[in-house]
Amino acid sequence: GAGVSQSPRYKVAKRGQDVALRCDPISGHVSLFWYQQALGQGPEFLTYFQNEAQLDKSGLPSDRFFAERPEGSVSTLKIQRTQQEDSAVYLCASSLVPVGRDGYTFGSGTRLTVV
Amino acid sequence: SQQGEEDPQALSIQEGENATMNCSYKTSINNLQWYRQNSGRGLVHLILIRSNEREKHSGRLRVTLDTSKKSSSLLITASRAADTASYFCATVPGDAGNMLTFGGGTRLMVKP
Repeated sequence: GAGVSQSPRYKVAKRGQDVALRCDPISGHVSLFWYQQALGQGPEFLTYFQNEAQLDKSGLPSDRFFAERPEGSVSTLKIQRTQQEDSAVYLCASSLVPVGRDGYTFGSGTRLTVV
Repeated sequence: SQQGEEDPQALSIQEGENATMNCSYKTSINNLQWYRQNSGRGLVHLILIRSNEREKHSGRLRVTLDTSKKSSSLLITASRAADTASYFCATVPGDAGNMLTFGGGTRLMVKP
């Protein structure tokens, strides 16, 4: 597609529920990133894929967070047993080249609200 | 944790005025990037400046980089109401790191 597509756009989850957030990067983009953005803050890095390999997951806040990109294109961020502090906008970005040598293209994000 | 800090946190100006936002960072970088975010939307890449560059222009945008002071500035000239958004600087580390690290952003309001 022309841009990075994320779905759903909004998600309301009850505390303890599992959620799955989807990211469709630009076709052919090697690098894919997930960020978490709390209200009024800058995005915080969660994890990075180069093709299907998850090269960095140092930003995942707990073992309840899991990300995958099995075929090197679509990625899913899964959050198990959601907590209120997980409420945030989850942004996906992709880049044609690895290692941050060019600008990233971001999706519009998924706004997760845990009630 | 966030690498960069933007200053000011919020800025309100009249249409036609110039807007200047500053960014400071802590560690050595490969490049520094500026992004814009409209309310409720994703980030849009504006400009990238590499560590060996000092100034870069793109339309009404002018970015400077001072690696000795670990700081950058973004100047928007002749601002328009449509420039109202949050602006973030983001750095790519100078070592083998991959990810962009963002600052907290400057919220710019341009009044018509």
